[in-house]
Amino acid sequence: AQKVTQAQTEISVVEKEDVTLDCVYETRDTTYYLFWYKQPPSGELVFLIRRNSFDEQNEISGRYSWNFQKSTSSFNFTITASQVVDSAVYFCALSELSNFGNEKLTFGTGTRLTIIP
Amino acid sequence: EPEVTQTPSHQVTQMGQEVILRCVPISNHLYFYWYRQILGQKVEFLVSFYNNEISEKSEIFDDQFSVERPDGSNFTLKIRSTKLEDSAMYFCASRDRTGNTIYFGEGSWLTVV
Repeated sequence: AQKVTQAQTEISVVEKEDVTLDCVYETRDTTYYLFWYKQPPSGELVFLIRRNSFDEQNEISGRYSWNFQKSTSSFNFTITASQVVDSAVYFCALSELSNFGNEKLTFGTGTRLTIIP
Repeated sequence: EPEVTQTPSHQVTQMGQEVILRCVPISNHLYFYWYRQILGQKVEFLVSFYNNEISEKSEIFDDQFSVERPDGSNFTLKIRSTKLEDSAMYFCASRDRTGNTIYFGEGSWLTVV
């Protein structure tokens, strides 16, 4: 069975500090996708990134960067120069290809990030 | 940018009542999903739907739940007789044939009293 672990339940940092959110996953699939979603206080789930299991290149998008390491089954997310608007719950998720090429996501329990002004 | 839309954003219902949550997926998407998030907990898969039938469902999705795509645009989740433990945020999501990104709606918050 697939599993996603986000060991950090809550993190608080002062604005402009860098922060890394950890994600460790378990799967027996050789092909899979990893995701990060942001859930701001308003409640919606905002897609941030998708990474497939064959692409271990790190990715940077503005202040966001992701470090995928297959050897340690980790997909960590770093926010540099954090801002108050980054305050949210962040979910890491793993996809499993099921019937008909369909796909379902297994989510971690989320990390609540609070940026202190 | 195309988005998944859900209605209502919030519904309060009495225990035992039927509830229908509505979703309009992104127009060229073929795979549809419902997920649930009980307050303060993680997001959980309920059901996936493709080619006008359920392709997979979780153990949460029991006989009280059903999904339907009544026309070319809407995708609904019906809870036949709501229980207190059905109180949660329900997210609709969709994906196209080629992409692997699942896009979520803003959620429908259901409160059962």
